[in-house]
Amino acid sequence: SQKIEQNSEALNIQEGKTATLTCNYTNYSPAYLQWYRQDPGRGPVFLLLIRENEKEKRKERLKVTFDTTLKQSLFHITASQPADSATYLCALSGRRALTFGSGTRLQVQP
Amino acid sequence: EAGVAQSPRYKIIEKRQSVAFWCNPISGHATLYWYQQILGQGPKLLIQFQNNGVVDDSQLPKDRFSAERLKGVDSTLKIQPAKLEDSAVYLCASRTARDRGNYGYTFGSGTRLTVV
Repeated sequence: SQKIEQNSEALNIQEGKTATLTCNYTNYSPAYLQWYRQDPGRGPVFLLLIRENEKEKRKERLKVTFDTTLKQSLFHITASQPADSATYLCALSGRRALTFGSGTRLQVQP
Repeated sequence: EAGVAQSPRYKIIEKRQSVAFWCNPISGHATLYWYQQILGQGPKLLIQFQNNGVVDDSQLPKDRFSAERLKGVDSTLKIQPAKLEDSAVYLCASRTARDRGNYGYTFGSGTRLTVV
């Protein structure tokens, strides 16, 4: 069956460091992959989209890589700030609507 | 532009009661989604509309859940009768056809349902 795995354990890092979150998937051939940020009590907010034929995409302090051979995406936040603390969701899409992973909670310590 | 509007923000009901949630997507967004998010999990698709037609309702528990988007704009999701396991946040999202493959969904803040 199709599965999307994100580290369920919270990631704790110091301010200024680079946070790296992982998304692994099985039995999928997604056309593209998306990352969202979700704060408590709020809906997910779209951050980045990367297509299957793209290796890397950047937006300000954010960088996403997409390896369709490894079936893995890495999400990086450079120069992290306490305001980056949130849950980050990975989502895959082919022909159908987005399927989400369970998310990884990031805590940036000042 | 205004975001995706959802109401109510919170709802507490007893099991076997009925409940309805309302969503008004961003103007011009033809595609509308309802997702269920149980605490500690990612959102799970319940139903997808394209204008007023259903594209995918394969994961909607049709014995108790129903949804409609009569005029292709706002949408209502109903649960009747509710069960304890329906306690979750119900999220509405929308996008334009042009955004597919280029941009993500815009989500509302959700309705938190507690069934007691």
